Amino acid sequence: GIQVEQSPPDLILQEGANSTLRCNFSDSVNNLQWFHQNPWGQLINLFYIPSGTKQNGRLSATTVATERYSLLYISSSQTTDSGVYFCAVEGMDSSYKLIFGSGTRLLVRP
Amino acid sequence: EAGVAQSPRYKIIEKRQSVAFWCNPISGHATLYWYQQILGQGPKLLIQFQNNGVVDDSQLPKDRFSAERLKGVDSTLKIQPAKLEDSAVYLCASREWGPGELFFGEGSRLTVL
Repeated sequence: GIQVEQSPPDLILQEGANSTLRCNFSDSVNNLQWFHQNPWGQLINLFYIPSGTKQNGRLSATTVATERYSLLYISSSQTTDSGVYFCAVEGMDSSYKLIFGSGTRLLVRP
Repeated sequence: EAGVAQSPRYKIIEKRQSVAFWCNPISGHATLYWYQQILGQGPKLLIQFQNNGVVDDSQLPKDRFSAERLKGVDSTLKIQPAKLEDSAVYLCASREWGPGELFFGEGSRLTVL
């Protein structure tokens, strides 16, 4: 099945700094989503982005499907950005199953 | 629009006891998923329903886990008997038919003592 790798596994930032999270995947995809898991465990949808670039406030994401990677950019980070960021993909032959990476754990210090 | 609803939010049981989790997907969403998330890991798919039929249950430990979606709307996930390693958050998700954005509930956190 499709493999998903996220990097870095852990990231510590000072408030106000920018960061880039990466997601590599091993096969062509129908779907790619970025989620933020908050301290209470809920998965919050950030982007549905199988290809192209999207922006939402301080966050933006780019997926280059032909090169099998996606990037999540966080600018001017805030302490509330802390948590785990997951990339999840659905391979073209996967019958609509979303497969998760192992996540990037982000800590933003005041 | 109401999101995916799950209950209970928290459950603590002794090993070998049974537990059931309930999920109500977003209205009109034909596809429903149950994921298991062990602490420090990404969610792992347990079972996928399309309306009231099972599409994929290859990762479901069928000797102790069962799930149903009888009328194609609500779903229940049952564990009997529970083991210590079943301690995890059980996440329900739903989406419309076909590819598209997946939406998750708040999860049900299970602790097995």
